[in-house]
Amino acid sequence: GQQVMQIPQYQHVQEGEDFTTYCNSSTTLSNIQWYKQRPGGHPVFLIQLVKSGEVKKQKRLTFQFGEAKKNSSLHITATQTTDVGTYFCAGLGRDSNYQLIWGAGTKLIIKP
Amino acid sequence: KAGVTQTPRYLIKTRGQQVTLSCSPISGHRSVSWYQQTPGQGLQFLFEYFSETQRNKGNFPGRFSGRQFSNSRSEMNVSTLELGDSALYLCASSLVAGTTNYGYTFGSGTRLTVV
Repeated sequence: GQQVMQIPQYQHVQEGEDFTTYCNSSTTLSNIQWYKQRPGGHPVFLIQLVKSGEVKKQKRLTFQFGEAKKNSSLHITATQTTDVGTYFCAGLGRDSNYQLIWGAGTKLIIKP
Repeated sequence: KAGVTQTPRYLIKTRGQQVTLSCSPISGHRSVSWYQQTPGQGLQFLFEYFSETQRNKGNFPGRFSGRQFSNSRSEMNVSTLELGDSALYLCASSLVAGTTNYGYTFGSGTRLTVV
């Protein structure tokens, strides 16, 4: 079945360093969504990408959707302690009957 | 506007019992999905309901069931609880138009502990 692989599983960074997480789908996606889950919290919707090659920015966060609509990335510039949490991608396959397929998440850890 | 409301927030049950969790979606959202999340794990999809019909189902045993009412509120039931069912159960609602899902809004979850 359709799978979305997300890497890395964890990323430790010093505050002020950049962070990137990647998602790769086994099939072409109609769209991809990104969520953030703070420790002890629930996932919160960040953004949805729909178009091939689309790039969207939210302050220090940059989201990209690949040309083939099979991969996506989230890049955070100059991380802050408020960025700590787990970032999930979730893709909607073209033949998935509306079901989102979730990546396993990347946990961003800020080194003390 | 009110968010997604899940009740109860915490629950302790004994092995073999059954449990019912409730979810009230955002007004106007007809899609409700349920997820199981265990410590350090991602989101495991249970099922999705749209207009009272189960549209998708994950790979969970038949002990896990759900339903959706005409007002879009949803319940999930777990029968014959096992220790491994201890988890955070998240409900998410979304506005869906055609094939476009406008993003899920999650509730705060129900933390179920089976002893």
